[in-house]
Amino acid sequence: EVQLVESGGGLVQPGRSLRLSCAASGFISSTYWMTWVRQAPGKGLEWVANIRQDGRELYYVDSVKGRFTISRDDGKNSLYLQMNSLTVEDTAVYYCARAQDYGAHFDYWGQGILVTVSS
Amino acid sequence: SVLTQPPSASGTPGQRVSITCSGSSSNIGVNHVYWYQQLPGTAPKLLIYVNDQRPSGVPDRFSGSKSGTSASLAISGLQSEDEADYYCAAWDDKLYAVLFGGGTKLTVL
Repeated sequence: EVQLVESGGGLVQPGRSLRLSCAASGFISSTYWMTWVRQAPGKGLEWVANIRQDGRELYYVDSVKGRFTISRDDGKNSLYLQMNSLTVEDTAVYYCARAQDYGAHFDYWGQGILVTVSS
Repeated sequence: SVLTQPPSASGTPGQRVSITCSGSSSNIGVNHVYWYQQLPGTAPKLLIYVNDQRPSGVPDRFSGSKSGTSASLAISGLQSEDEADYYCAAWDDKLYAVLFGGGTKLTVL
């Protein structure tokens, strides 16, 4: 059974950093693109970043470029999102998802983890 | 959102409802469309992939279509458990980004 479990969320002050992790099981993560999608409270879905199987092709939404870094460690079946210079606008539930390609095909999702940026 | 959806839709049990998703030549016009269902308090779930394909386990009451720069999700035989938020999504070749529509809240009256 495919499972994705996010961790590392919580309350953080503006300007600080946070690292999210996503533990994958039930499939060989090294053979898939992986992605992060977020959802601000009461708002819609917003794609954040994608990473190719070998980690050499990355895409980000403009609002996080230069602040967030997506990475993966397939030896640990894990996906990461390093978030720096956080702002209140980054407050959201962050989902990791398995992607079939670089596009919008996300076939399995984690349960999500809340990140709250507040002073 | 660059992908435009109506904010709300509604129908009575047994009815057919349709949700539209309007994009442009750099996204829906040249790439596949995907639809996601998000039940209250849960993670999104893939409902339709590659414009009109249903993943295993998704009832055939759900169908997708695409024409030009627009796409549609149709739900026939509406049921109370279909009450959820629905999102379309597509890759954009100009932005090098995945776009989601703003979401449509479906209410079953």
